[in-house]
Amino acid sequence: GAVVSQHPSWVICKSGTSVKIECRSLDFQATTMFWYRQFPKQSLMLMATSNEGSKATYEQGVEKDKFLINHASLTLSTLTVTSAHPEDSSFYICSAPRLAPTDTQYFGPGTRLTVL
Amino acid sequence: GQQVMQIPQYQHVQEGEDFTTYCNSSTTLSNIQWYKQRPGGHPVFLIQLVKSGEVKKQKRLTFQFGEAKKNSSLHITATQTTDVGTYFCAGANSGGSNYKLTFGKGTLLTVNP
Repeated sequence: GAVVSQHPSWVICKSGTSVKIECRSLDFQATTMFWYRQFPKQSLMLMATSNEGSKATYEQGVEKDKFLINHASLTLSTLTVTSAHPEDSSFYICSAPRLAPTDTQYFGPGTRLTVL
Repeated sequence: GQQVMQIPQYQHVQEGEDFTTYCNSSTTLSNIQWYKQRPGGHPVFLIQLVKSGEVKKQKRLTFQFGEAKKNSSLHITATQTTDVGTYFCAGANSGGSNYKLTFGKGTLLTVNP
């Protein structure tokens, strides 16, 4: 079946560094992908919509200069957390909808970011 | 902005008991989706409801979408230990992308064997 992968699955970095997270749709093309963050024992919060060939659209309160999104191809979106701080530590999850053969959205396995 | 409320936040049941979680949106939805997330895992798509008053079943799971397309429920009959996890509803706003979702806070289900 369709799978969405994320890399890395976890990352620990020092405060002030930048971290890139990749989201790939493995056997289907996704012109749109979504990026969420989830704090422990909380719900998923949509950060932005990644659009292939155009700029990402960000939700209110999400800093676009801090969370850079690039939808480089129909199967790859990247999220770069720039100048990461401890408060950016979270679980970042991407999703990609596939319209055929069944209209389903698939979530990646998530990336656990810890900023020291 | 759109809000999706989900209750209860936690539910502990004995194996074999039924379980229901409820979702209510502040705005009319184009569709509502349900996900299950196991501890340490990622959300897994369960179902999407689109039509007003729609009812869908998956084995022991029954999903309902309200007539006004603002509320939904997930009912599990005769729970099993494999049902443990957090169940999220997520709504898509009318007029927007079907997959730009606002998630409820989730209901954590634990099942005592």
